[in-house]
Amino acid sequence: QVQLVQSRAEVKKPGASVKVSCKASGYIFTSYGVNWVRQAPGQGLEWMAWISAYNGHTNYAQKFQGRVTMTTDTSTTTAYMELRSLRSDDTAIYYCARARFELRSYFDFWGQGTLVTVSS
Amino acid sequence: DIQMTQSPSSLFASVGDRVTITCRASQSISIYLNWYQQKPGKAPKLLIYAASSLQSGVPSRFSGSGSGTDFTLTISSLQPEDFATYYCQQSYSPPQTFGQGTKLEIK
Repeated sequence: QVQLVQSRAEVKKPGASVKVSCKASGYIFTSYGVNWVRQAPGQGLEWMAWISAYNGHTNYAQKFQGRVTMTTDTSTTTAYMELRSLRSDDTAIYYCARARFELRSYFDFWGQGTLVTVSS
Repeated sequence: DIQMTQSPSSLFASVGDRVTITCRASQSISIYLNWYQQKPGKAPKLLIYAASSLQSGVPSRFSGSGSGTDFTLTISSLQPEDFATYYCQQSYSPPQTFGQGTKLEIK
């Protein structure tokens, strides 16, 4: 069965970086892409970026460009999201979600979420 | 960016009720509208994709309709497990955007 298993919760200081992993199983990793979506406490969902596991093509929301990097490792079927220069308003649950295509598609499987807390 | 506006933001209903949630896009998105259900402490779950296609395993009491700018999610007969927050999402153009959510609560 399809599973996306994310890394554990992290606590970071302002200005630091965080790298969240998303281990995929149960499907052909390179036939899909991975989106990253975050949810601040008590708030709605915010799309951050997409990465193709086939060719590494990325598309970042303008809000995060220059501060976020998405990568994949096809040998371990794992996607990564690194967010730099963390601020207190980056405190959120970060989800990875599978999609067949970059656009005009849908997120059919999600990871369990990784809570990132930014606090001094 | 395409703005997605859901209404209502919260909704009180009873088991057995028929419920409709609407989602309006700030410009035409054709049929590229998805609906998700999220329960507290859990990841979102895909219910409906491409406006009206039911995701595998989702009960048939859930249905979606619409195209262009106006969309609806209908639950034909509410069950206890349906009380949750529902989000619409456009996948027509980047950045993909979500509605603010509709919290469905027990009356």
